[in-house]
Amino acid sequence: AQSVTQLDSQVPVFEEAPVELRCNYSSSVSVYLFWYVQYPNQGLQLLLKYLSGSTLVKGINGFEAEFNKSQTSFHLRKPSVHISDTAEYFCAVMPADGFGNEKLTFGTGTRLTIIP
Amino acid sequence: KAGVTQTPRYLIKTRGQQVTLSCSPISGHRSVSWYQQTPGQGLQFLFEYFSETQRNKGNFPGRFSGRQFSNSRSEMNVSTLELGDSALYLCASSPSGTSGATDTQYFGPGTRLTVL
Repeated sequence: AQSVTQLDSQVPVFEEAPVELRCNYSSSVSVYLFWYVQYPNQGLQLLLKYLSGSTLVKGINGFEAEFNKSQTSFHLRKPSVHISDTAEYFCAVMPADGFGNEKLTFGTGTRLTIIP
Repeated sequence: KAGVTQTPRYLIKTRGQQVTLSCSPISGHRSVSWYQQTPGQGLQFLFEYFSETQRNKGNFPGRFSGRQFSNSRSEMNVSTLELGDSALYLCASSPSGTSGATDTQYFGPGTRLTVL
């Protein structure tokens, strides 16, 4: 089984400041890692994903994340945030066990609020 | 390419009734997954369908069921509704067709179900 921990439920950040949203996971098998964003009254939009290869992954809207296997972490970062980044961010994992297991396990989410 | 569509977007039902939600995946996608999102429990996996067969299932009671048609469209049914079933129900599709879940799930806007 997998689990995902997002320690920060809310993160307020001033506009144009950098931000890091933390994500740690637990799994008995290898996993694929994802970050999704949810704007108010909308579904989830994929920001970025890690499947294999380079541990630094770049996504849309200037976001990036780094996979750290030893620390079982996949923190999301952006060097300079904008008002439009205000949203809820979800970290998720999927087993990479090769059995067509398409179940995403999500963290509880981090609400990012950008302060003008 | 059109995204994942879900109908209806909003639904109000009373306890004891049943409800059917519909999801049309992105053209060419063969896997459809359903998730429940509530403030208390967060995002939870309900089930996944691939080629008209349920391939994965979450930990929900038998009142929650689904099916997938030959054109990959999927429906989710909840019988004997309870107040706690009030939630945003999200559908996601992916191209997945082979073993190994390396495909990304793309989410629809969701159906907001309110049970009175």
